[in-house]
Amino acid sequence: GAGVSQSPRYKVTKRGQDVALRCDPISGHVSLYWYRQALGQGPEFLTYFNYEAQQDKSGLPNDRFSAERPEGSISTLTIQRTEQRDSAMYRCASSPRSSNTGELFFGEGSRLTVL
Amino acid sequence: GENVEQHPSTLSVQEGDSAVIKCTYSDSASNYFPWYKQELGKGPQLIIDIRSNVGEKKDQRIAVTLNKTAKHFSLHITETQPEDSAVYFCAARGDSWGKLQFGAGTQVVVTP
Repeated sequence: GAGVSQSPRYKVTKRGQDVALRCDPISGHVSLYWYRQALGQGPEFLTYFNYEAQQDKSGLPNDRFSAERPEGSISTLTIQRTEQRDSAMYRCASSPRSSNTGELFFGEGSRLTVL
Repeated sequence: GENVEQHPSTLSVQEGDSAVIKCTYSDSASNYFPWYKQELGKGPQLIIDIRSNVGEKKDQRIAVTLNKTAKHFSLHITETQPEDSAVYFCAARGDSWGKLQFGAGTQVVVTP
């Protein structure tokens, strides 16, 4: 499809397990962003990439969270040793260029539930 | 870091009336203020944005105003229609250009 694709759409896991969430941005988009959205709240910034370089990871809550985009296209957000507080909607977005302003195109998200 | 507050949290309007959502931000260096609309089960979608060198911007039935001195900006929707029902988020970009700080959202309900 033409939009940002995220998988899995739904993930239920047990506390302590590792999870990997995948994002396939719009073709040709330079910048890729990860946000987390709790129910009834606005998206919360986690990290972003320009091409394969991680530019800002200040929003990652702790060292259990990591993200990579090795070839400047698909990105993976990994959460190790999941905890119940990690339950949320994880949203990926991309934008077409490394510019000062501009629209973020969001995917439909991956809903993570940690039991 | 940047902090964005958004009011009201819910807004119910009659079809045809206007809706206004207000946001304040904390970082005087912020220079970009987008508004996103999120429909149920979907990701947020940009509806309008404004840069700090502009005081007002309009696109058909929606408009955004920015007061840099007071550090607040507002979304105005005129002649509301049922399809305007959604959650609206304001956002601001502060110290990191790739990082948007979102408000908590406003649930807008337009009743026929």
